[in-house]
Amino acid sequence: DQQVKQNSPSLSVQEGRISILNCDYTNSMFDYFLWYKKYPAEGPTFLISISSIKDKNEDGRFTVFLNKSAKHLSLHIVPSQPGDSAVYFCAASAGNQGGKLIFGQGTELSVKP
Amino acid sequence: KAGVTQTPRYLIKTRGQQVTLSCSPISGHRSVSWYQQTPGQGLQFLFEYFSETQRNKGNFPGRFSGRQFSNSRSEMNVSTLELGDSALYLCASAQRGRGASYEQYFGPGTRLTVT
Repeated sequence: DQQVKQNSPSLSVQEGRISILNCDYTNSMFDYFLWYKKYPAEGPTFLISISSIKDKNEDGRFTVFLNKSAKHLSLHIVPSQPGDSAVYFCAASAGNQGGKLIFGQGTELSVKP
Repeated sequence: KAGVTQTPRYLIKTRGQQVTLSCSPISGHRSVSWYQQTPGQGLQFLFEYFSETQRNKGNFPGRFSGRQFSNSRSEMNVSTLELGDSALYLCASAQRGRGASYEQYFGPGTRLTVT
């Protein structure tokens, strides 16, 4: 039972354009969502998060949108840079289990110069 | 602030042996969570420790255990190693507690190979 799903294993974008990474979840108890960036053989790096009481959160080039009714969130990167090329994971947690993150399978982003 | 550190970074063990991995959280962080990453199963939650107590546990057999010390450092132990235990083991720390954020910050991981 995969509670967090990233249906696109890979995404290719031109430098300077927008990258949109998508994530769906099934558990309505999730109330906090996070995005991580990961390079091979390294630990994930925290990018941005959003609480379920919000529908948008911005941090520099990164914006996360949350649509609770659709149980969907997305990460927008504008403008995309070659250094953004990595695997992106979305993760979710439920309030009473905040230390337990459920991860999606990841989307590999490739930003081409 | 120094980040999360994990030791050792690489480890090779034989089936049937046991292994202990160590994690030092970011200073001031009281929560430590452990995750296993494999190509087939992705990133899976093992357990979380907060103030020396296990607060959450994932769906792993009892061969996987952990503990946390009073300085928040944590260790993870795997007994009777199996080939399928070969993975990248990641530790993450978080502040937790009232008013704290939920963000977890990961260490570089320990790459365990079981032969």
